[in-house]
Amino acid sequence: GAGVSQSPSNKVTEKGKDVELRCDPISGHTALYWYRQSLGQGLEFLIYFQGNSAPDKSGLPSDRFSAERTGGSVSTLTIQRTQQEDSAVYLCASSDPWGQETQYFGPGTRLLVL
Amino acid sequence: AQSVTQLGSHVSVSEGALVLLRCNYSSSVPPYLFWYVQYPNQGLQLLLKYTSAATLVKGINGFEAEFKKSETSFHLTKPSAHMSDAAEYFCAVNGGSNYKLTFGKGTLLTVNP
Repeated sequence: GAGVSQSPSNKVTEKGKDVELRCDPISGHTALYWYRQSLGQGLEFLIYFQGNSAPDKSGLPSDRFSAERTGGSVSTLTIQRTQQEDSAVYLCASSDPWGQETQYFGPGTRLLVL
Repeated sequence: AQSVTQLGSHVSVSEGALVLLRCNYSSSVPPYLFWYVQYPNQGLQLLLKYTSAATLVKGINGFEAEFKKSETSFHLTKPSAHMSDAAEYFCAVNGGSNYKLTFGKGTLLTVNP
């Protein structure tokens, strides 16, 4: 079946611009996660959505980062006023209700802030 | 709190040799443990997982890992390396109620002909 998809696959933007990154989880998966992978920090948790519950935003690095999940499916990660240190690969993962401990990852969005 | 330590940021083996990638974890609750593989410019692919059943876990592509609670380890092995195994490998743990993963820094595996 279809896996987690993310778009765009690559994004180049100028410092100060806003960007939106999209994640389509596997159909039927109720949990959705965003992670960031950067050279200096490795893989870091950003935010977690589970069904209709309030999201766990504890990993968001600053208030320039926000995310939403509409209709319990697609999620958008928004970075406002991008900075060069935001350059990274942003990975999305999802898990199903009966095996929430196992996350399946998308291919990622490679963000470069010039 | 939880953490993962992967010993060796880079491991190099010859084709056909044993692969051993080390992972030690720390968790305040019984952990779930995972190994993921990442090929260049791709996302993370699940290799195998430990979820409190059998301590010896078999995964895809001939990899396996053994959970050793006394040593807080979850090392990844493969008896015979193949060129296609060259990639970066990440060990991860989750033990919290929201299942968020904590990753090690990764180990880059190089396979020499």
